[in-house]
Amino acid sequence: DQQVKQNSPSLSVQEGRISILNCDYTNSMFDYFLWYKKYPAEGPTFLISISSIKDKNEDGRFTVFLNKSAKHLSLHIVPSQPGDSAVYFCAANTLNTNAGKSTFGDGTTLTVKP
Amino acid sequence: NAGVTQTPKFQVLKTGQSMTLQCAQDMNHEYMSWYRQDPGMGLRLIHYSVGAGITDQGEVPNGYNVSRSTTEDFPLRLLSAAPSQTSVYFCASRPYDREDQPQHFGDGTRLSIL
Repeated sequence: DQQVKQNSPSLSVQEGRISILNCDYTNSMFDYFLWYKKYPAEGPTFLISISSIKDKNEDGRFTVFLNKSAKHLSLHIVPSQPGDSAVYFCAANTLNTNAGKSTFGDGTTLTVKP
Repeated sequence: NAGVTQTPKFQVLKTGQSMTLQCAQDMNHEYMSWYRQDPGMGLRLIHYSVGAGITDQGEVPNGYNVSRSTTEDFPLRLLSAAPSQTSVYFCASRPYDREDQPQHFGDGTRLSIL
């Protein structure tokens, strides 16, 4: 049973437009969510995160929205740039546990066309 | 800043061979983990450690062993390589008991089992 799902394997957008990447989760114990970006032949790097006590977190061109009742989060990139082309992973954590494990989605490959 | 260093970057093995994937971090992080990433899939946790001398299994531990003798190093051993273990392996670290902090990933080891 996959607890974190990214239902869109790929997304293609035009440079300058908005990119919206979606993530759904099933475990109500998750209370911290992170997005990572991954370029080919590199490891994932942290992009932005959100606590379950918030519904929005913004960092420059990147905004993450959390809808707890729907168990859904989304990453908005505005405006999209060709350098944003990468695989984006959604991850979920449970705070205050001594396991410290993250659960990852399968990723969405974003392509931003010039 | 070295961060998380993985060696080797590439390796080809024959079925039945054994090998050790190395992972070292210089951030004094207690929590370290190993993931594998297969095509079209997310990161699946193999083993993790919350400190020297303490390890535990993730969701896909079969065929792999780990040990943690120092804070810095967390090697992953394949005991008898199988073609199903062909994958890209990522090591990651973060401070223990800080699930609100992102993990820092190495650049991965691409492993092919013939």
